[in-house]
Amino acid sequence: ELKVEQNPLFLSMQEEKNYTIYCNYSTTSDRLYWYRQDPGKSLESLFVLLSNGAVKQEGRLMASLDTKARLSTLHITAAVHDLSATYFCAVGYGNKLVFGAGTILRVKS
Amino acid sequence: DTAVSQTPKYLVTQMGNDKSIKCEQNLGHDTMYWYKQDSKKFLKIMFSYNNKELIINETVPNRFSPKSPDKAHLNLHINSLELGDSAVYFCASSQDYPAGLQGANVLTFGAGSRLTVL
Repeated sequence: ELKVEQNPLFLSMQEEKNYTIYCNYSTTSDRLYWYRQDPGKSLESLFVLLSNGAVKQEGRLMASLDTKARLSTLHITAAVHDLSATYFCAVGYGNKLVFGAGTILRVKS
Repeated sequence: DTAVSQTPKYLVTQMGNDKSIKCEQNLGHDTMYWYKQDSKKFLKIMFSYNNKELIINETVPNRFSPKSPDKAHLNLHINSLELGDSAVYFCASSQDYPAGLQGANVLTFGAGSRLTVL
């Protein structure tokens, strides 16, 4: 059974500083996703990573995938307030996605 | 134009009642899902249908019964509601692509249905 672990589970960030969220998974997979969820809202797809070494960037967020280490990272550059949300990684496992527990990001002014 | 729409958005009911949540997607996707998000925000898949056929049926009490009348709709009926059923239920859909193509199985989620059982 695939297990997906994210850390940290909570991250209090200062504006303009850089941070990284880690997503480890226990079984080989060919796809990894990052989603964002604002409080009381739905989940929004951020990135899809489909191969070893894949790197995707959108604004201040950059996601990468190392399939050999079974690790994905979500790097935040120069945090700003509107990045405050919960970020989930999800790993493809057969027909389904298995989600990590989520990382709550809060940016302090 | 909402891509994945769920109704109702909020549902408050008593223990023992039966309730349904409806989901519709207008994306032309082949696969639909129900996920449950508990109070700690943990997301767990419950069911998945591909072209009206059940393909994922996780360990969920028999009181939960999904129904897919066509590939654009996936409804969730819950019998004999219990306190522990209180959660946010998300419907989602995805288009199946051959492995290696961009967009593979990206889930589009509905806004969620918050169920509170008293």
